[in-house]
Amino acid sequence: SQQGEEDPQALSIQEGENATMNCSYKTSINNLQWYRQNSGRGLVHLILIRSNEREKHSGRLRVTLDTSKKSSSLLITASRAADTASYFCATDSLYTGANSKLTFGKGITLSVRP
Amino acid sequence: DVKVTQSSRYLVKRTGEKVFLECVQDMDHENMFWYRQDPGLGLRLIYFSYDVKMKEKGDIPEGYSVSREKKERFSLILESASTNQTSMYLCASRGIGTADRPLHFGNGTRLTVT
Repeated sequence: SQQGEEDPQALSIQEGENATMNCSYKTSINNLQWYRQNSGRGLVHLILIRSNEREKHSGRLRVTLDTSKKSSSLLITASRAADTASYFCATDSLYTGANSKLTFGKGITLSVRP
Repeated sequence: DVKVTQSSRYLVKRTGEKVFLECVQDMDHENMFWYRQDPGLGLRLIYFSYDVKMKEKGDIPEGYSVSREKKERFSLILESASTNQTSMYLCASRGIGTADRPLHFGNGTRLTVT
């Protein structure tokens, strides 16, 4: 069963604009993670935010987490053509202990036009 | 850098064949995972392993089995391949005992069953 649901499914923006992607989930979590996937490749971890954190930054990435609404957003500032990829949120459930498993959403396709 | 290596990028098999997908990681990670990725469905967990000789069913284990005889290697087995198993297969690993535990993915195996 899929825990995370990303929104929108596809996003097309101009280079230099900001891209905002949203993720909603259903059950309580330990942390939420965002991954990126270039076409035909594996996923690469971008950023992790723990359930007791509200905001986190890494370079041009900003992630927020609202546990009361069970939602997260990923903001990419000053986007570049190289940011074109699929982005996935993944949740690490609170209830599965030390050997937990991540549950992924269906992904968002981001296209950044040069 | 963690390296997760999947033995084949592309594989074409016939219906009814027994298929082995191999995955090796070089970071002594305890946890290993097999996902399949299909358009519009995102990543779905097939099986995962907490440690050597241990395995747990994921969300879609039917038609698959796994083997983990050594810590660094996690094999996915399609006992009798069917056309609905045509998909991208992604292997991932992660360690335990750290607060931030992202998954490290291989580049995927695109399997076509004819």
